Amino acid sequence: GESVGLHLPTLSVQEGDNSIINCAYSNSASDYFIWYKQESGKGPQFIIDIRSNMDKRQGQRVTVLLNKTVKHLSLQIAATQPGDSAVYFCAENLRGGADGLTFGKGTHLIIQP
Amino acid sequence: GAVVSQHPSWVICKSGTSVKIECRSLDFQATTMFWYRQFPKQSLMLMATSNEGSKATYEQGVEKDKFLINHASLTLSTLTVTSAHPEDSSFYICRARQGAGNYGYTFGSGTRLTVV
Repeated sequence: GESVGLHLPTLSVQEGDNSIINCAYSNSASDYFIWYKQESGKGPQFIIDIRSNMDKRQGQRVTVLLNKTVKHLSLQIAATQPGDSAVYFCAENLRGGADGLTFGKGTHLIIQP
Repeated sequence: GAVVSQHPSWVICKSGTSVKIECRSLDFQATTMFWYRQFPKQSLMLMATSNEGSKATYEQGVEKDKFLINHASLTLSTLTVTSAHPEDSSFYICRARQGAGNYGYTFGSGTRLTVV
């Protein structure tokens, strides 16, 4: 079936470096994408979102890039900090879907001192 | 911003007993509540979707008689795990949406259920 998937289950980066987390989606009907951060034992927290009519959106230290041609989504975190350690999920919303959110498998971001 | 309060944050229960998990939207009306289950190192799996005042819609493979969902008001939804067994041990998370077509999604903080 159609699903959202992540290329890397674990990503280890040095503190201060930039992190890039990737996500591939397969449903061309998706029109809205969200990145969530989930710390251990907690619910997912909204990080940033992007609609399909955009290619890039920036937040505080985070940037989401959307490439609809290859159905690829990425989350860039600048100057990674220890508090960024978490599992990151991408989610897609199907256009017109009652719920729409389909979650990827998640990438565990590990920050090394 | 929108806040969803989920209780309890963790619970341990004996096999065969029932456990109720509550999710309350504190400063908005949650027309739709989604319930997820998450096993360790895995993604969120949608269990059911409930709209206020209506019966919940369950995903394939989720037993509606075992996972009872009530969404009697716009600010409260509950998930009751009936006759819990060790395999029901998981992290349960609710997610609220305010209004149809609204892309505002807010998650609860999750409930760690351990059945012994």
